Amino acid sequence: DADVTQTPRNRITKTGKRIMLECSQTKGHDRMYWYRQDPGLGLRLIYYSFDVKDINKGEISDGYSVSRQAQAKFSLSLESAIPNQTALYFCATSDPTSGRQHTQYFGPGTRLTVL
Amino acid sequence: AQSVAQPEDQVNVAEGNPLTVKCTYSVSGNPYLFWYVQYPNRGLQFLLKYITGDNLVKGSYGFEAEFNKSQTSFHLKKPSALVSDSALYFCAVRTRGTDKLIFGTGTRLQVFP
Repeated sequence: DADVTQTPRNRITKTGKRIMLECSQTKGHDRMYWYRQDPGLGLRLIYYSFDVKDINKGEISDGYSVSRQAQAKFSLSLESAIPNQTALYFCATSDPTSGRQHTQYFGPGTRLTVL
Repeated sequence: AQSVAQPEDQVNVAEGNPLTVKCTYSVSGNPYLFWYVQYPNRGLQFLLKYITGDNLVKGSYGFEAEFNKSQTSFHLKKPSALVSDSALYFCAVRTRGTDKLIFGTGTRLQVFP
């Protein structure tokens, strides 16, 4: 969905480096999410945010942190990257007040490789 | 614990034949159920959802899914497969009162000409 953008699309980094993945949306949605996708494991929720002041841990938040800079921006940071954080990362948004509530809209993903 | 199972890693079907991608779930209470599709190098795209009402849900690209409460299933179907349907399909569930999706492990659909 072009309304949800992620930067960078691909990143290769080394163990121990700090990495930030960024997500921006023009959908005007309050709720934003970060997932990681690993082969054979599906998508797993890292963090989610219901609004700028409300941030919550998902099922696999260890080793990650997030920042909700504005309604439209939600960044995911790896403070000290490790190889098992190599994965495809997706940002998503949703709007609980709209007619399409319950539906999440995904960005194109960021492929991160940690060497 | 809430969970979603997609028992088939891959489904192969000939173009023009009907296809079924299976999904079963385990949640407490009444679920919201979703199907998403992922094309190569793309994000997930919403296909359809079941919230309440008619057990047969119609979605994008000619896909439909049937909610079966007694079998706790939500299988994705299409009467006539296209080669362009080849992609990775994810089933997901959300329990009422939460905003978190639980995804299955995905099923790769391969449609052969």
